[in-house]
Amino acid sequence: DIVMTQSPDSLAVSLGERATINCKSSQSVFHSANNKNRLAWFQQKPGQPPKLLIYWASFRESGVPDRFSGSGSETDFTLTISSLQAEDVAVYYCQQYCTTPLTFGGGTKVEI
Amino acid sequence: QVQLQESGPGLVKPSQTLSLTCIVSGDSVSRGTYYWSWLRQPAGKGLEWIGRVHSTGSTDYNASLKSRVAISVDRSNNQISLRLTSVTAADTAVYYCSTGNYYTDFLYWGQGALVTVSS
Repeated sequence: DIVMTQSPDSLAVSLGERATINCKSSQSVFHSANNKNRLAWFQQKPGQPPKLLIYWASFRESGVPDRFSGSGSETDFTLTISSLQAEDVAVYYCQQYCTTPLTFGGGTKVEI
Repeated sequence: QVQLQESGPGLVKPSQTLSLTCIVSGDSVSRGTYYWSWLRQPAGKGLEWIGRVHSTGSTDYNASLKSRVAISVDRSNNQISLRLTSVTAADTAVYYCSTGNYYTDFLYWGQGALVTVSS
């Protein structure tokens, strides 16, 4: 199984400041079939299902504010919130979809 | 827009079978080449992928649950089913169904169904 490790477990960021979340996979999630990293980022607020933010490591899902960006390749990835807003308080998960079982990181709680 | 709604008993006794249904609207479970997945999330914890079924009926399961789980497609009712046998308290969680497209497995999600295993 590909183990996804996120850091930090939680972070507190002031409004308008940058938040950076890291995700490391135990194996490369680069898929040669389409030259893409099969890595997604999700946001989950209390009582709600996760919401897709980023796919293929750096592609923003339709409707997601451009303050959210993803980067990285192979085994090391980053989700950046460039200017934290109050509505961004949530838990963020990375997820690999390169091989089954599909696996998630343990989550990073972002607070103000 | 695809909409998913999980339904089923909220309370299951230990050693019994957990059965949930995911009612699909706005799309067909026979759609293209995509998968329909079940996931779960214990209270205050992270997400665990349980398994998935393809529109053709083929399945993939998480090895940690494989001996106890079955996921199937019901084309006549346009729904996906989950069965988990021999449940214990460790199976208490919110259960989600989800589907995606060519770039992600998890674009659309149900609201989740809380299942508690207790006598």
